[in-house]
Amino acid sequence: NAGVMQNPRHLVRRRGQEARLRCSPMKGHSHVYWYRQLPEEGLKFMVYLQKENIIDESGMPKERFSAEFPKEGPSILRIQQVVRGDSAAYFCASSRRMTEALFFGEGSRLTVL
Amino acid sequence: ELKVEQNPLFLSMQEGKNYTIYCNYSTTSDRLYWYRQDPGKSLESLFVLLSNGAVKQEGRLMASLDTKARLSTLHITAAVHDLSATYFCAVDRGETSGSRLTFGEGTQLTVNP
Repeated sequence: NAGVMQNPRHLVRRRGQEARLRCSPMKGHSHVYWYRQLPEEGLKFMVYLQKENIIDESGMPKERFSAEFPKEGPSILRIQQVVRGDSAAYFCASSRRMTEALFFGEGSRLTVL
Repeated sequence: ELKVEQNPLFLSMQEGKNYTIYCNYSTTSDRLYWYRQDPGKSLESLFVLLSNGAVKQEGRLMASLDTKARLSTLHITAAVHDLSATYFCAVDRGETSGSRLTFGEGTQLTVNP
């Protein structure tokens, strides 16, 4: 049973470009979460999705960031017009039920030049 | 706003010694998680604590939860080098659906031979 799969693992973008990060949850998991980790910090919640629905995006910056989890295919976190402050590790996590621990992917490390 | 504080943030200890990491949180919650992160890697779930007085043990690690004191502890017994990692506690915000975790800053543990 494959774990949470994220790609790309590393992504380099220049300021102003777009970054797309993908996440395939574990089999049987319908809850997907995105977290951001800045260097030397803990993870910060960004968004919680179920299939085709955004349940809570209270941790998402108001502009340039969006997330989706379509009926078919992976969840995508999209960052438009990236800036240096977007450089971070972005982790996706999934769970089957609300009270279960989240299973995290390996993360996508975004570097903005 | 839920705040989660860990201490110490840095811990250097000798193999064979015991130590405790503390996790305080600011609002009522009865779901607390401990994770381990190795450098450049994802988060590995260690413990899920779901009720007051919960105690769980795995190998040399034992975690407990006191919801009245809003405190969780991660106790390390007879540390070995392989335990060197960053340990995060995370508290669920207590929403009615899904798990939006608020993470502590992490405790960077180094076990010296």
